[in-house]
Amino acid sequence: AQTVTQSQPEMSVQEAETVTLSCTYDTSESDYYLFWYKQPPSRQMILVIRQEAYKQQNATENRFSVNFQKAAKSFSLKISDSQLGDAAMYFCARFVNGAGSYQLTFGKGTKLSVIP
Amino acid sequence: EAGVTQSPTHLIKTRGQQATLRCSPISGHTSVYWYQQALGLGLQFLLWYDEGEERNRGNFPPRFSGRQFPNYSSELNVNALELEDSALYLCASSLTVGSEAFFGQGTRLTVV
Repeated sequence: AQTVTQSQPEMSVQEAETVTLSCTYDTSESDYYLFWYKQPPSRQMILVIRQEAYKQQNATENRFSVNFQKAAKSFSLKISDSQLGDAAMYFCARFVNGAGSYQLTFGKGTKLSVIP
Repeated sequence: EAGVTQSPTHLIKTRGQQATLRCSPISGHTSVYWYQQALGLGLQFLLWYDEGEERNRGNFPPRFSGRQFPNYSSELNVNALELEDSALYLCASSLTVGSEAFFGQGTRLTVV
């Protein structure tokens, strides 16, 4: 089965510091998309950042950036200058564009705590 | 612009009953995804509808079914409810394949 793995169930970071959340995935397809979603206690899933597999340049959105290592099938999220509002569950997800694999698959999530 | 809306917000059913959950995608979005988020299990893919047709389903029994209407809204039906069906059910929609999926607030289903 093609999977998405987040090896860190929980992480914590001091306010204003930097934290990196890990994600690895499995796919045999060459065309796919990767996402990081954030789910605060309100339950609303919010897209943090998106990466197309064919793009070599790592995506960046303000304080959020990714380290996309296609050969290693690794897609980590770096949060710089962490803020209290960053505390949430973070889910890594992969959308595969291949026959029989049209689905958006999520990892089990990493719970991020931000310490004041 | 209205986001993805789900109804009801909360639903309490007894074991063996049927539950119907509804989702309205963002205007113009033709793809609708359903996920089950049970405690400690992350998001489990249930169903994907696009242009009115079921495109893919996850590893769930046939008592989980759904449909997509001509206006692209969608319905998830769960028959013969079991206690372990208690979970948050999330619906998402996207404009095109691979584009950002926008999520609704979810329906919290409790089976007693």
